[in-house]
Amino acid sequence: DAGVIQSPRHEVTEMGQEVTLRCKPISGHDYLFWYRQTMMRGLELLIYFNNNVPIDDSGMPEDRFSAKMPNASFSTLKIQPSEPRDSAVYFCASSFQGNQPQHFGDGTRLSIL
Amino acid sequence: KNQVEQSPQSLIILEGKNCTLQCNYTVSPFSNLRWYKQDTGRGPVSLTIMTFSENTKSNGRYTATLDADTKQSSLHITASQLSDSASYICVVRGGGYNKLIFGAGTRLAVHP
Repeated sequence: DAGVIQSPRHEVTEMGQEVTLRCKPISGHDYLFWYRQTMMRGLELLIYFNNNVPIDDSGMPEDRFSAKMPNASFSTLKIQPSEPRDSAVYFCASSFQGNQPQHFGDGTRLSIL
Repeated sequence: KNQVEQSPQSLIILEGKNCTLQCNYTVSPFSNLRWYKQDTGRGPVSLTIMTFSENTKSNGRYTATLDADTKQSSLHITASQLSDSASYICVVRGGGYNKLIFGAGTRLAVHP
């Protein structure tokens, strides 16, 4: 079975540019989560969706960040404009029901120069 | 304040030895506690989940314990292998909004 698929695996771009991270959850999972991981702050939940609807976006750091889930098999996390402090590994995870184990993708390593 | 603290921050052990990782939390109310293993360059993978009524749960060489009274959990690894080298993250669900609160993780290195 295919797990959670994220793309790209690595992204290097200059500050001010728009960055779009993509995620394909496991088929049948109705919850989708976006996380950010840094050495300083560990794993942080940014936003999660249930049945394509954003439920809690309180972890989104600021208006430069936005996330969408247009259908059950695709989600994006967009940063516009990007800043060097956005450099981190961004993980997408999905689960069947909110209390079940989350299955994580391998992350997107983002570097903003 | 709802917090999850893990110790030690990092640990080096020799292959074949046992080790125990600690997780203390102040989350209330408590729903469950989950241990994840994260290999370098990969996403976390769930090892086990503990609910309020569970004291011990095993997954192969991994055994998790939970003391809901003292709000402590431990993850014991038996007969460590090189492949156990990873970060281990404790995550507690709870608090007023039943959120996930993450520990900073313990980085384990198993040396031959």
